[in-house]
Amino acid sequence: EVQLVESGGGLVQPGGSLRLSCAVSGFTFSSYAMNWVRQAPGKGLEWVSIISGSGDSAYYGDSVKGRFTISRDNSKNRLYLKMNSLRGDDTAVYYCVGEGFDLWGQGTMVTVSS
Amino acid sequence: QSALTQPPSASGSPGQSVTISCTGTSSDVGGYNYVSWYQQHSGKAPKLMIYEVSKRPSGVPDRFSGSKSGNTASLTVSGLQAEDEADYYCSSYAGSNNYVFGTGTKVTVL
Repeated sequence: EVQLVESGGGLVQPGGSLRLSCAVSGFTFSSYAMNWVRQAPGKGLEWVSIISGSGDSAYYGDSVKGRFTISRDNSKNRLYLKMNSLRGDDTAVYYCVGEGFDLWGQGTMVTVSS
Repeated sequence: QSALTQPPSASGSPGQSVTISCTGTSSDVGGYNYVSWYQQHSGKAPKLMIYEVSKRPSGVPDRFSGSKSGNTASLTVSGLQAEDEADYYCSSYAGSNNYVFGTGTKVTVL
C-alpha cells in the first residue's frame, strides 16, 4: 500500500523556520520526482516545489523562492521542506505529493503567527 | 505565475451533467497537454480525477471526462451523484519545471 505521511508542522513566529518531513512507502521512492503543494485555510491549492528523483534538481514557486529548500533522502524514503523567513501568508496545510500529482499525503498544518 | 481561472461555483441535480472551465494562457493550459483535475472533499486531501487533459486514473468513474480547447480546459461530470459534491481544482504544467493550480470550483448537487 502506498503511503505518504507528513510531519513537522506547527506554530511558528514570523521570521522563524520549520522543517517538514514526508515518509514514503509502497513504491520505489528514488525513481520519482516529488512535490510539495500547500493550501491556505479556506483557499485553493498552490504548487510550492518539486525535486527530481535523484535530488539533483529542484524548482520553486515564485512565492517561496529563496526562502524554502526542498530535499530528499532516498536511503530513508523521506522528502523534506525547509522553510525559512516564514510569513503569515505561508500559513497553510502542506501536502507531500507524488510526481504525477496522483499520490497525496494527508497534509501537515503550518501556522505562522506571533 | 497567476492561478488558472475557474468559476467559484457550479451545480446540478442528481443525474444531470455539470461542466467546469479552467482558463489559462498559452504559457500553461494552451501550451501543454498536461492539464489535470482534482476532487477535494471537505477536510480531505485532493484526489486526482483526470490527467493529461482527458485520461482517467484507474478507479475513477467514466462519468468524469476532460477536454481542452485553446487556453481553456474543461471537466464534465455526467450523471451527477450526491458524492460528487466537492471542490474541484485544475492544474497545468507552466513550463520551466513550474506548475499552476486553478482557483477552485465548488460543485453542489441540488
